[in-house]
Amino acid sequence: EPEVTQTPSHQVTQMGQEVILRCVPISNHLYFYWYRQILGQKVEFLVSFYNNEISEKSEIFDDQFSVERPDGSNFTLKIRSTKLEDSAMYFCASSGGLTIPYTFGSGTRLTVV
Amino acid sequence: AQSVSQHNHHVILSEAASLELGCNYSYGGTVNLFWYVQYPGQHLQLLLKYFSGDPLVKGIKGFEAEFIKSKFSFNLRKPSVQWSDTAEYFCAVRGSGNTGKLIFGQGTTLQVKP
Repeated sequence: EPEVTQTPSHQVTQMGQEVILRCVPISNHLYFYWYRQILGQKVEFLVSFYNNEISEKSEIFDDQFSVERPDGSNFTLKIRSTKLEDSAMYFCASSGGLTIPYTFGSGTRLTVV
Repeated sequence: AQSVSQHNHHVILSEAASLELGCNYSYGGTVNLFWYVQYPGQHLQLLLKYFSGDPLVKGIKGFEAEFIKSKFSFNLRKPSVQWSDTAEYFCAVRGSGNTGKLIFGQGTTLQVKP
């Protein structure tokens, strides 16, 4: 069964540093998403991406965040200057269509110290 | 704004007990509803979904859910749980807009004792 792959599985970074979280969606999927889950809280939508542009973003997704699909296979989430409150599990997901359920990646646990 | 509420945060059951996890959503339009499961150390996996038609939907691993439109509910059930069902369960709704965004509930941690 096709998978969404996320790397790294765990990243520790110092406050103020830039991090890039990487995702390889399923190859024929068209819709891409990032979600995050702060420990003990609900899974929250960050951003959706379609046709090489952001289609929707949440209020969490401020100027410190950006997404890119640089080469047609990877889908990255960049946090420019990390804050302690960015510590969370970040999930990537992809879908072949709006009525097709997502496939989620296994997540990247980001710890900001 | 759309929201999803899961009533049970932590449920402990013995094997063979019946399970029902509550989920209510707030959205008046057409919704797609989902239950996802996250086993320890693994990614979110789809258990079942409701788009339209029969409000009683069956998913994997013996799970089912009933969509009750008048109650804005989509409760998850399983007649007899197993130790391997120990996991976190998330209800989610996809509604307005054309981006496919999901709104998740807070999650319910299910612990099944052998």
